[in-house]
Amino acid sequence: DAGITQSPRHKVTETGTPVTLRCHQTENHRYMYWYRQDPGHGLRLIHYSYGVKDTDKGEVSDGYSVSRSKTEDFLLTLESATSSQTSVYFCATNGPMRQTNYGYTFGSGTRLTVV
Amino acid sequence: DQQVKQNSPSLSVQEGRISILNCDYTNSMFDYFLWYKKYPAEGPTFLISISSIKDKNEDGRFTVFLNKSAKHLSLHIVPSQPGDSAVYFCATKAGGRDDKIIFGKGTRLHILP
Repeated sequence: DAGITQSPRHKVTETGTPVTLRCHQTENHRYMYWYRQDPGHGLRLIHYSYGVKDTDKGEVSDGYSVSRSKTEDFLLTLESATSSQTSVYFCATNGPMRQTNYGYTFGSGTRLTVV
Repeated sequence: DQQVKQNSPSLSVQEGRISILNCDYTNSMFDYFLWYKKYPAEGPTFLISISSIKDKNEDGRFTVFLNKSAKHLSLHIVPSQPGDSAVYFCATKAGGRDDKIIFGKGTRLHILP
C-alpha cells in the first residue's frame, strides 16, 4: 500500500467558489497525478507532477491548477468551481513498482458536487 | 481522439462462466498494457499487465491476451465470481519521462447468480 490519502472524501460547494483537494502520500514517490472520473469518459488526466514544484498539464486541465511544494503533498485547486466540475477526483502515484507492475496506486477518491 | 477504446460499456455474465473484456488501441508504439478494477466508492486497483514482447499473461483466474497486429487486447476471467462485478479499465503507458497512463472509458461487468 502506497499510503495515499485524499481529503476531503466528499464536498459540496457552490458555483464560483474556490476549492482545494489534497493528496498526501507517505512513500516518497516522485510522480503524482490527478484524474477525474465521469460516466462515459472513464479516467481523464487533469494535471501531474514529476517532482517538487514540477508540474504539467493533462488532457482536461482547463479550470484547474496544482501545486507541489513537498514530495508528499499534491494539491488540486478549482479556481472558480463550475457545475461541469462535479465529478469524482482520484489522486495516484507511480508505485510501488512490484505491486503495480509499473502502474499506479490510486487513492480512494474525492466526490465533489458543485451546486 | 480516444487512444484506448473499450467499446462495451457493460457486460453481464453468468457466475461460473467466462468473462471476456475487450480493448483496442490506436498507437502501435504503445508497448505496455494494464488492466485496473474499480469497485464503487473506491479507487482503481491494479489487476494484471502485459508487455508487448508477450502475447499472453496469466495470473490465477485472470488472463490477458495481446494481439499486436490487430492492436487489440482482451481480459479473460475464468470462472467468473460475484466479487468480479466491478468496472474494468484498460490502460496503456504512453512512454516518455512523465510515466503517464492513458485509460479507456471502462466496462462495467455484472456477474449474474
